[in-house]
Amino acid sequence: DGGITQSPKYLFRKEGQNVTLSCEQNLNHDAMYWYRQDPGQGLRLIYYSQIVNDFQKGDIAEGYSVSREKKESFPLTVTSAQKNPTAFYLCASSMFLGTRYEQYFGPGTRLTVT
Amino acid sequence: AQSVTQLDSQVPVFEEAPVELRCNYSSSVSVYLFWYVQYPNQGLQLLLKYLSGSTLVKGINGFEAEFNKSQTSFHLRKPSVHISDTAEYFCAVSTVQGAQKLVFGQGTRLTINP
Repeated sequence: DGGITQSPKYLFRKEGQNVTLSCEQNLNHDAMYWYRQDPGQGLRLIYYSQIVNDFQKGDIAEGYSVSREKKESFPLTVTSAQKNPTAFYLCASSMFLGTRYEQYFGPGTRLTVT
Repeated sequence: AQSVTQLDSQVPVFEEAPVELRCNYSSSVSVYLFWYVQYPNQGLQLLLKYLSGSTLVKGINGFEAEFNKSQTSFHLRKPSVHISDTAEYFCAVSTVQGAQKLVFGQGTRLTINP
């Protein structure tokens, strides 16, 4: 089955540690995205990548970093510089082919930093 | 820049009653419009989308939405809801040109009472 995999589902870290969230897709999509979800605030774009080896900052990129070395993978690192990292993180991918344009979402990773 | 406003943060309705979830957007350029549903601790699932053509769009699970360009609205409706429709619903827009970035509203929590 084609889809997006995010692992792990729950992640716990101590303050001051960097942590990397995994996102893999087998949909052959060119574009991939990372969103952060907080209660009552909807989803906000962290980073996105339209092609391999290229990515752009979204609205809330500070304290995060990404890489896109392979088409199917787009890992997100939450660094110690992120002031409020506890949140639900969602990865998405998309293709644009006429009426088939839409973003597909993974199941999410809930990160708790204490 | 685009923005999305979902006018109700919570909507309680009785089972088998009709429901409307309101969404207004702001954009100086042409946009695509989407409604997503999120069940607890899960990713987002696309309900329906407006790319072009007929302004009345039908989606999954009996939902439909109408694009009104003059009122910059894209309200979601269902004539008769079920307990299983209890979830959070997100309206989103993206520009027709450029990167396929989604801008989300804050979400509407739909609660179905028996």
